[in-house]
Amino acid sequence: GAGVSQSPSNKVTEKGKDVELRCDPISGHTALYWYRQSLGQGLEFLIYFQGNSAPDKSGLPSDRFSAERTGGSVSTLTIQRTQQEDSAVYLCASSFAGTSGGASKNIQYFGAGTRLSVL
Amino acid sequence: SQKIEQNSEALNIQEGKTATLTCNYTNYSPAYLQWYRQDPGRGPVFLLLIRENEKEKRKERLKVTFDTTLKQSLFHITASQPADSATYLCAPSGNTPLVFGKGTRLSVIA
Repeated sequence: GAGVSQSPSNKVTEKGKDVELRCDPISGHTALYWYRQSLGQGLEFLIYFQGNSAPDKSGLPSDRFSAERTGGSVSTLTIQRTQQEDSAVYLCASSFAGTSGGASKNIQYFGAGTRLSVL
Repeated sequence: SQKIEQNSEALNIQEGKTATLTCNYTNYSPAYLQWYRQDPGRGPVFLLLIRENEKEKRKERLKVTFDTTLKQSLFHITASQPADSATYLCAPSGNTPLVFGKGTRLSVIA
């Protein structure tokens, strides 16, 4: 596609429910990132996928958060037993080659995000 | 731990003036630094990248400097326009995933 696509654009859920957020990166991009942005705050790194390497999960805030990337393309971020503090915009980005490809290949292209509201 | 500070949460300037945004970082030595623009309800959009061996980079009305001694980058928008109003994020980086500053919200007043 022309850009990074995220779905749904908005998600309202009840506390305790599980949610899945989807990201379709730009075709040919080997690196994929998930970030969280709370209202008025900066981007909080969650997880990073690079090719076939083990993902960098160092930013995941708790074991309720997990992500996978199937076939080196589409990624799903899953939040189990959602809490009200999980309410935020979840942004996905892809880049051509990630951190190993040099500066110009680590320019990130972002989706519009999924706004998650936990009631 | 790595820390990034963008000098102002919000900056208001008059149309036609030059806006200067500051990004300071501590506890690491990035090989390069990126600047992004974010509009409300949208994801960030890449603007400029500057490498550690470059002092200055320009693109149209934008100019970025990178001082590795001061651990600082300055982002300038000359002849600012109301359409430049947005939040600007810096991201010093290297061989680790990008870490973003909280951003500076720029408002250009006509």
